[in-house]
Amino acid sequence: NAGVTQTPKFQVLKTGQSMTLQCAQDMNHEYMSWYRQDPGMGLRLIHYSVGAGITDQGEVPNGYNVSRSTTEDFPLRLLSAAPSQTSVYFCASRSGNYGYTFGSGTRLTVV
Amino acid sequence: GQQLNQSPQSMFIQEGEDVSMNCTSSSIFNTWLWYKQDPGEGPVLLIALYKAGELTSNGRLTAQFGITRKDSFLNISASIPSDVGIYFCAPQVQGAQKLVFGQGTRLTINP
Repeated sequence: NAGVTQTPKFQVLKTGQSMTLQCAQDMNHEYMSWYRQDPGMGLRLIHYSVGAGITDQGEVPNGYNVSRSTTEDFPLRLLSAAPSQTSVYFCASRSGNYGYTFGSGTRLTVV
Repeated sequence: GQQLNQSPQSMFIQEGEDVSMNCTSSSIFNTWLWYKQDPGEGPVLLIALYKAGELTSNGRLTAQFGITRKDSFLNISASIPSDVGIYFCAPQVQGAQKLVFGQGTRLTINP
């Protein structure tokens, strides 16, 4: 049972490039979320999904897109990377009213 | 919006000491979760609290859900080196899919 799998683990982008951070879970969880973590800021919610085909914005959605075509996958797209998007990104999933299970993160640097 | 204050921001203690940290909010919540994040990893759920006044233990960890439902604390007894990391509170409104995180308490232990 792999849990929540994020790829890649590390990525360096140039300003203006686009990319997709992948997230997959094999626990049949209906809820999935993307967070970013910056020093001294804790974790901030970017986007979340309550099921396939349903997504909504979190606290800091600008510059990011998501889609949820399947229960298992919840990719995060950066359309035009900016240095301010340098961060560690975490994907998480849960079922019912229990706490989220987090992936191990993607460390993104935009130069 | 809601204000969530987690304190202290950092702690430097000797091995064997007890630790106490807390979170307070301007809003009422139905669930309080406590997570721990090891360096280079995603947060891992430690304790979940679902009722006002609830006191729950998990080994050397004890957490309580405040009566007002606006606060929670986490205690660690007889700290050991593997307790090093960042601890986050994460309260949640029932039925809401968003999990809001405190800014974290960074725990450092001197052997």
